[in-house]
Amino acid sequence: SQQGEEDPQALSIQEGENATMNCSYKTSINNLQWYRQNSGRGLVHLILIRSNEREKHSGRLRVTLDTSKKSSSLLITASRAADTASYFCATYKGGGAQKLVFGQGTRLTINP
Amino acid sequence: DAGVIQSPRHEVTEMGQEVTLRCKPISGHNSLFWYRQTMMRGLELLIYFNNNVPIDDSGMPEDRFSAKMPNASFSTLKIQPSEPRDSAVYFCASRVAGDWETQYFGPGTRLLVL
Repeated sequence: SQQGEEDPQALSIQEGENATMNCSYKTSINNLQWYRQNSGRGLVHLILIRSNEREKHSGRLRVTLDTSKKSSSLLITASRAADTASYFCATYKGGGAQKLVFGQGTRLTINP
Repeated sequence: DAGVIQSPRHEVTEMGQEVTLRCKPISGHNSLFWYRQTMMRGLELLIYFNNNVPIDDSGMPEDRFSAKMPNASFSTLKIQPSEPRDSAVYFCASRVAGDWETQYFGPGTRLLVL
């Protein structure tokens, strides 16, 4: 079963606009990660936020985490055509933190 | 440095045939994961290895699937016999002990079983 659920499933915006994607999860976590998948490619790790952090930045990426609501958001500022991809949140499930469980993803399209 | 290498990149086969997918993890990584991605079920973990030892294969759908890791630089995922519902993209990922939280994915093998 999926630990994380992304919202929206698809998002289409104009280049230069900001894109916000949300993720909800079910159980307690130690950290939450975001991955990007370009069409026909593997997943690439973007950023990790720990359960004791509320916000984290990396370049044009901003991630927030609200453990009370079991939710996270990924904001991409000043979007570019190259940001077109699917974005997945992922959390570790189970003891030993070995099994990374992914949500269904948000498909982001940046229109030039 | 080379990333995770998977072969073949595309495989088309007929129902009932044996399929073998191959993965070479990043050198020095000691954990290896096999995932399957479909539109209906998303990304699912099939099995993972730590130091070449299978740790959890609870995600393997049925006995037709098997995975091996004979050494630190090579793993296979075998489907025998293959069925049309096995059509999916299969990803291999690896992880290094010093950064256990981050997985590095290969480009995937797109499998089509006719």
